Amino acid sequence: DIQLTQSPSFLSASVGDRVTITCRASQGISSYLAWYQQKPGKAPKLLIYAASTLQSGVPSRFSGSGSGTEFTLTISSLQPEDFATYYCQQLNSYLLTFGPGTKVDIK
Amino acid sequence: QVQLQESGPGLVKPSETLSLTCAVSGYSISSGYYWGWIRQPPGKGLEWIGSIYHSGSTYYNPSLKSRVTISVDTSKNQFSLKLSSVTAADTAVYYCARRGVATLDGFDYWGQGTLVTVSS
Repeated sequence: DIQLTQSPSFLSASVGDRVTITCRASQGISSYLAWYQQKPGKAPKLLIYAASTLQSGVPSRFSGSGSGTEFTLTISSLQPEDFATYYCQQLNSYLLTFGPGTKVDIK
Repeated sequence: QVQLQESGPGLVKPSETLSLTCAVSGYSISSGYYWGWIRQPPGKGLEWIGSIYHSGSTYYNPSLKSRVTISVDTSKNQFSLKLSSVTAADTAVYYCARRGVATLDGFDYWGQGTLVTVSS
């Protein structure tokens, strides 16, 4: 199985801050990585796929980068609606796995 | 607008079979895409259960494979999940979702989720 780790697990930030979340894979997965945002009581929302491609309708303040085993999700200027938990997901193998999540909270 | 809606019992007894259905509107399942089930235990992370292609090909999480069956009914435009021999560890919010056919594609449309509690 391909394992994913995320850092940090918890992040406290202020509106307007630049935020970066890292996702690491236990083996190389090329660019087969997606990022999701989940708010309490809601389904996850696809933000980025193919490591860096923004899903339609997602604000441009979100960006993704990386390939192989290390990936980042960046929010260039944190907005009030961005406080949520973020998950990475690898799509390289038929066994799809998610990272443990990073909760972004208000400082 | 593609919409997915899960339905099924919210309470299942231990050792019984959990059965959920995902009704799809705004898109014909028979036209393509993968259709999947993902679950999330209360306060925890996401776990992929399995996916089915519109043709009926299935892919399951090995950790659940012996207990999982996913099927599709194109005439009703819905797909279903059956998880047998459930225990308290299967208590979770269950989501259905759509995934594009390219390997790089993520799950782009999700149902709202349904909480299934396993308890006697």
